[in-house]
Amino acid sequence: AQSVTQLGSHVSVSEGALVLLRCNYSSSVPPYLFWYVQYPNQGLQLLLKYTSAATLVKGINGFEAEFKKSETSFHLTKPSAHMSDAAEYFCAVSDQAAGNKLTFGGGTRVLVKP
Amino acid sequence: GAVVSQHPSWVICKSGTSVKIECRSLDFQATTMFWYRQFPKQSLMLMATSNEGSKATYEQGVEKDKFLINHASLTLSTLTVTSAHPEDSSFYICSAILGVVAEAFFGQGTRLTVV
Repeated sequence: AQSVTQLGSHVSVSEGALVLLRCNYSSSVPPYLFWYVQYPNQGLQLLLKYTSAATLVKGINGFEAEFKKSETSFHLTKPSAHMSDAAEYFCAVSDQAAGNKLTFGGGTRVLVKP
Repeated sequence: GAVVSQHPSWVICKSGTSVKIECRSLDFQATTMFWYRQFPKQSLMLMATSNEGSKATYEQGVEKDKFLINHASLTLSTLTVTSAHPEDSSFYICSAILGVVAEAFFGQGTRLTVV
């Protein structure tokens, strides 16, 4: 079975500061990993994905994530936070054997302080 | 990118009535769609996997007779909440898989309030 753990349900950063959201996964097969962002009362928008190509993945809105197999991690970073980055972020792992069913982490809510 | 449209975006219904939520892939065909439920300030909980032309696969603990799923075409899946009660109030989200990129695209969600 696959699982995802996001460390920290809430993260508060100052505008312009580094954003770091942690994600660790468990998977018995090489994983496909995803980061999604959710704004209030909306669906999920894909930020970036890892599908066994480059371990450093660049996404939209200046976000990037690095796949580290030895640490079973896929942490999300952004060098400089913007007020518009305030949202809920979800890390997910895909089960390719089950029609690409996603298992989500608990989510991390990001607050950006002016 | 691929677009998934979910309708309605919000609905209020009376206790005991049924509500149907539609999930459409607008510019691609999806043999598999997923339905999730999300409680306030929580993550997404998978309810069921919807497969075109066959019965849905429900996750453990999800009542299949209460949450009816139909995937009649490659672009449409519906979730019907039957005999809704206040405890069914929640945010429901669907996703469709674009197979060639193994990526899920999400609808905008439906806020259901049962009064």
